[in-house]
Amino acid sequence: AQSVTQPDIHITVSEGASLELRCNYSYGATPYLFWYVQSPGQGLQLLLKYFSGDTLVQGIKGFEAEFKRSQSSFNLRKPSVHWSDAAEYFCAVGRNYGGATNKLIFGTGTLLAVQP
Amino acid sequence: GAGVSQTPSNKVTEKGKYVELRCDPISGHTALYWYRQSLGQGPEFLIYFQGTGAADDSGLPNDRFFAVRPEGSVSTLKIQRTERGDSAVYLCASSPRDISYEQYFGPGTRLTVT
Repeated sequence: AQSVTQPDIHITVSEGASLELRCNYSYGATPYLFWYVQSPGQGLQLLLKYFSGDTLVQGIKGFEAEFKRSQSSFNLRKPSVHWSDAAEYFCAVGRNYGGATNKLIFGTGTLLAVQP
Repeated sequence: GAGVSQTPSNKVTEKGKYVELRCDPISGHTALYWYRQSLGQGPEFLIYFQGTGAADDSGLPNDRFFAVRPEGSVSTLKIQRTERGDSAVYLCASSPRDISYEQYFGPGTRLTVT
């Protein structure tokens, strides 16, 4: 069965510092991978996605992620964090079940705090 | 343009009562999803609609949960005989195509069962 692991429940970084959020997945084939961000009272917003091709994908808000098949990882990075990046981040994996569904399997999330 | 909207934003109900949660997808989106997010967890898939029909309801936890989308637009998630364990944020998402991972999420309905 598919699963997603986000090993870091909570991370605190200083504003301007670099950020890396970890995500590992379990899946038998090449997965479709996503990162979403959730701010308090807001819906989940898609940051970036990987379907195929270049393993380094660029997203919105200056985020990027790298797919590493050998490590079953899809870590999210940002070179310089802004205070507005404080939120909860979710990694997700998707599979097309023969065209019948596109449900996403989410990790448990990483809560990011940014200190001045 | 308008995003996915969900009403109510908060719902408090007593154990054993019936509740309905509404989702208005983005206009023209053919696919609609319901997820449930419990405290400290990521969203968990409940049900997926293609148009009016439920293409996959494998995530519904039991027969107290039911969802409809009679005209292929607005959807209602219905929970009968609510239990305290049903307390969670219920998220709705829509997608412009049936085969697409571009899911756009609403802000959710926070359900509290007392």
